[in-house]
Amino acid sequence: QVQLQESGPGLVKPSETLSLTCTVSGYSITSGYYWGWIRQPPGKGLEWLGSVYQSGSTYYNPSLKSRVTISVDTSKNQFSLKLNSVTAADTAVYYCARIIGSGSYYSDCWGQGTLVTVSS
Amino acid sequence: EIVMTQSPATLSVSPGEGATLSCRASQSVSSNLAWYQEKPGQPPRLLIYGASTRATGIPARFSGSGSGTEFTLTISSLQSEDFAVYYCQQYNNWPPITFGQGTRLEIK
Repeated sequence: QVQLQESGPGLVKPSETLSLTCTVSGYSITSGYYWGWIRQPPGKGLEWLGSVYQSGSTYYNPSLKSRVTISVDTSKNQFSLKLNSVTAADTAVYYCARIIGSGSYYSDCWGQGTLVTVSS
Repeated sequence: EIVMTQSPATLSVSPGEGATLSCRASQSVSSNLAWYQEKPGQPPRLLIYGASTRATGIPARFSGSGSGTEFTLTISSLQSEDFAVYYCQQYNNWPPITFGQGTRLEIK
């Protein structure tokens, strides 16, 4: 059974870079699917940040494109998120998820989520 | 960017009754629409994809319908565990993948 687990600092200072890693178990990232990051500010809805394919091809939300980088490390079966120049508006629960792909870009498996607070 | 609008924002229903949640897209998304259920402290759970196909393990009381710009999630005979927030998501035109703002289904 595939499982995803986010890890990384829970507190980031304004203007710094938020870095999170998603470790995938029970499934090889190289076997297919897309892998993505979604966030949810406290009390608000879901926002897709971007996705990466096993090949390293990336797709980003245009609203964040200049600040976000998603990469994959197949040797560790992990993928990562970097969001630079963060502000308080980036405070959210960050989820990693598996995305089906092949024209069906919905998420069938999610990590538990990790709260990242941006504060000095 | 395709904007997804859900209605109502909050729906109050008694257990055992049915509920109908709506999702509208700002332009056609064909049948490329998914529904998720979210409970406090838990990640979203995929309910429906392709507008009407139930995901693995989802009870038959959940059904989805619609195409183009108008979609509906229907829950028949609400159980206590069904009270949650529901989100629709389009994946027809991306990036970006976009979500609705959610409908909170609460106990009346």
